[in-house]
Formats: sequence, structure tokens, C-alpha cells
Amino acid sequence: EAGVAQSPRYKIIEKRQSVAFWCNPISGHATLYWYQQILGQGPKLLIQFQNNGVVDDSQLPKDRFSAERLKGVDSTLKIQPAKLEDSAVYLCASSLFRGGGQETQYFGPGTRLLVL
Amino acid sequence: DAKTTQPNSMESNEEEPVHLPCNHSTISGTDYIHWYRQLPSQGPEYVIHGLTSNVNNRMASLAIAEDRKSSTLILHRATLRDAAVYYCILIGGGADGLTFGKGTHLIIQP
Repeated sequence: EAGVAQSPRYKIIEKRQSVAFWCNPISGHATLYWYQQILGQGPKLLIQFQNNGVVDDSQLPKDRFSAERLKGVDSTLKIQPAKLEDSAVYLCASSLFRGGGQETQYFGPGTRLLVL
Repeated sequence: DAKTTQPNSMESNEEEPVHLPCNHSTISGTDYIHWYRQLPSQGPEYVIHGLTSNVNNRMASLAIAEDRKSSTLILHRATLRDAAVYYCILIGGGADGLTFGKGTHLIIQP
């Protein structure tokens, strides 16, 4: 079974530029998550989709971050304009269902972003 | 969300058992205890989870205290490939996103 795919793996941009990350979840997984992991910290949830609807985006900095999940499959996360503090690894995860406390999340390898 | 407390780091020798503790004194009755680990330069991966009873799988065992205020992840025979950051996470009804702390950095000595 193919895992969660993410691209690009690495990205270097200058501040105030825009950047987009792509995620392809495991086939059939209804729930998709984007996390931000700053060096030395645990991942922090940015946004959660159930199919193509947003379930939780309470920690997404909406003035500069946006995300969509068209047709309930692939997802893109965009930052515009980027700031130095956005330098982090952006992780995508998916799970079969949502809720109940027993769901396992499967993570992709992440996209490492460096903002100069 | 109920919080968890883990030691910042632990060290063990290869081929010996490892016991990773986690305190969660404010756990609610419906919270599941999950463990994930993150190997260097990889995304987190699921290890094990439980509610009240001890659990075993091919990767590890999870021992849950009777009052559920603490739990221990047990790696029965550590290898160098088990060197990672281990996260203890509580998941209850409602929000599904994982709330990660800083985890325990496990170092395995050959």
C-alpha cells in the first residue's frame, strides 16, 4: 500500500515570496491533516479536512496560509507571503475516518521549508 | 486537551528493554493513549494505543496504570533503529488532530 506522498521535499525561498506544498493521502482516506513542525518542537496541527470540507483550522494563520482539498483527495497548502518564522517542516497526514479516539494517522515524509 | 509529561531524553543499550514513561494525570475517561515516534528526518509513525487494558503489538507493548494517570511504552529489545523521538498523546472525542508535546528523545547505544 502506497503511503502519504508529499512534494517538494525541500524548498528554499526568500521572505515575502509565496510557496505551495502538495499532498496525496493514502487511497480511500477521508481525513487529511497538515501539521507544521518547527525545529526542536513537536508537530502542530494547522488544518484538518474531512473529505473536501474543513473540520478544524483554528491554528491556521489565515492572513498568510491557505489550504484546499479539491475533490476530497489531494491537498495543497500555500503560504503567501512567507515570513522567516515559517521556516519549518510541513507534514501531511491522513486517516481512514475521523473521531472516536482510535484512529491512526499516517504521515508523509514532510516538506522542509527554509525562508531566507 | 489533557496534557502529557515525558522525560526529555533517555538512553539505553542495544538489545535491552526500554521503558518510556508518560504522565497524564488529567486524562478523561474517554481519552485514548496513543504513542507515535519520529525517526530522524521522517514523519511521525504510529506505534500503539490503548484505553484501559495493556496492549501488545509487533512493535511494542503499552502498560496503562490502573488509575490511567500514567502509562509506559515498552520496547522489548531495542535496536539502533529504535533511536527516535517518542510522543505520548491523548486523543478523545471531538478534536482529532494530534497535540504533540516535545516527546522523549531515545538514544540507543551499541
